[in-house]
Amino acid sequence: GAVVSQHPSRVICKSGTSVKIECRSLDFQATTMFWYRQFPKQSLMLMATSNEGSKATYEQGVEKDKFLINHASLTLSTLTVTSAHPEDSSFYICSAQPEVGGYNEQFFGPGTRLTVL
Amino acid sequence: GQNIDQPTEMTATEGAIVQINCTYQTSGFNGLFWYQQHAGEAPTFLSYNVLDGLEEKGRFSSFLSRSKGYSYLLLKELQMKDSASYLCAPSDSNYQLIWGAGTKLIIKP
Repeated sequence: GAVVSQHPSRVICKSGTSVKIECRSLDFQATTMFWYRQFPKQSLMLMATSNEGSKATYEQGVEKDKFLINHASLTLSTLTVTSAHPEDSSFYICSAQPEVGGYNEQFFGPGTRLTVL
Repeated sequence: GQNIDQPTEMTATEGAIVQINCTYQTSGFNGLFWYQQHAGEAPTFLSYNVLDGLEEKGRFSSFLSRSKGYSYLLLKELQMKDSASYLCAPSDSNYQLIWGAGTKLIIKP
């Protein structure tokens, strides 16, 4: 149980285009979903936290107008990288948390590798 | 502030035992997770400690001392597939996981 899918797994796009990444919890309802970015040989960097039906909370330094997050349901969150540029090339990972408080394990999706040409 | 301190890199021999230490400072505490991350992949859950003491799960064990802000992950009977990064992630008062840079473990034959 507790499987999180992410789509697409890999995407290559031209500079200036927008890319949407989907994150789904397949067998549980996710109260909270998280979006991370990881550059090669660096640590996970939390970009934003999203709760179903409310606006995402972005970490300091993350542009909310560039990284649009929509948590439309308890099983789906999307991250849209708008007007992508080569510096946005990274490994984007989502995670989902089944409940608020208590045992708060995050279940990770397999990640999306974005390459912007 | 909140921070995590783990060794950047460790090397061990196949079949041996290795202990990866983690010290942390968080605003509040609601347990500590260890995750494994292979290169190019997402993290996978290894263990969770919320009370002091040792939690054993097969070849992996994790220890927690809340008063010392200290945890370790013990890996026994090391296998080549254990080469990965190991992430110590305490949970703060908002139940948010705090991520450090992790420890890259290199296993040699």
